[in-house]
Amino acid sequence: QSVLTQPPSASGTPGQRVTISCFGSSSNIGTGAVTWYQQFPGTAPRLLIYRSYDRPSGVPDRFSGSKSGTSASLAISGLQSEDEADYYCAAWDDSLNGPVFGGGTKLTVL
Amino acid sequence: QVTLRESGPALVKPTQTLTLTCTFSGFSLTTNGVCVNWIRQPPGKALEWLARIDWDDDKYYNTSLKTRLTISKDTSRNQVVLTMTNMDPLDTGTYYCARIPYDGSGTHFDHWGQGTLVTVSS
Repeated sequence: QSVLTQPPSASGTPGQRVTISCFGSSSNIGTGAVTWYQQFPGTAPRLLIYRSYDRPSGVPDRFSGSKSGTSASLAISGLQSEDEADYYCAAWDDSLNGPVFGGGTKLTVL
Repeated sequence: QVTLRESGPALVKPTQTLTLTCTFSGFSLTTNGVCVNWIRQPPGKALEWLARIDWDDDKYYNTSLKTRLTISKDTSRNQVVLTMTNMDPLDTGTYYCARIPYDGSGTHFDHWGQGTLVTVSS
């Protein structure tokens, strides 16, 4: 059971906009930044969004992050087939004094 | 260019101690703010943070695994070592090391190793 809660799956058609949610609590998302990772099968996670909203260089601006209270969202606009992957949110937890991850969301491009 | 690479045994027996090494290049673990973390992923499951060591040798551990974990660094060799005692089949998974840059938050893992699969079985 992950500390952060994500839907196990999401889907969309090419060109569509999809959002993936991440729910936490006052000890993690409520007090700090959220990070998002993209992971393809058999590969290491890739940093997608940091400080809740910022994109590292090389990440397309189709990916955007938002945060409100104890929840966060990752939005992907102009969905492409190569976006099919697992997505994880992460946040620092003050009670556990360490990072916690969501359970991951498998995105399918129909 | 920042790179990290994990190394260690692919197979360990239950109750044995696992020792993993993260060898990195392109940055120094003496730089103020830089940290190296260990994160694991059981097959088909979510990521789980294990431990972190900071440039100033501060250490952080997953509270549920703290009694089994030890993290250390050798800055002259650009290596971070993780030991996990009393291995169990439930510890089977891919183990990653990942860097937090000097200006990153506690979950800002900007570079990852490719991961090493560890199987715990007799």
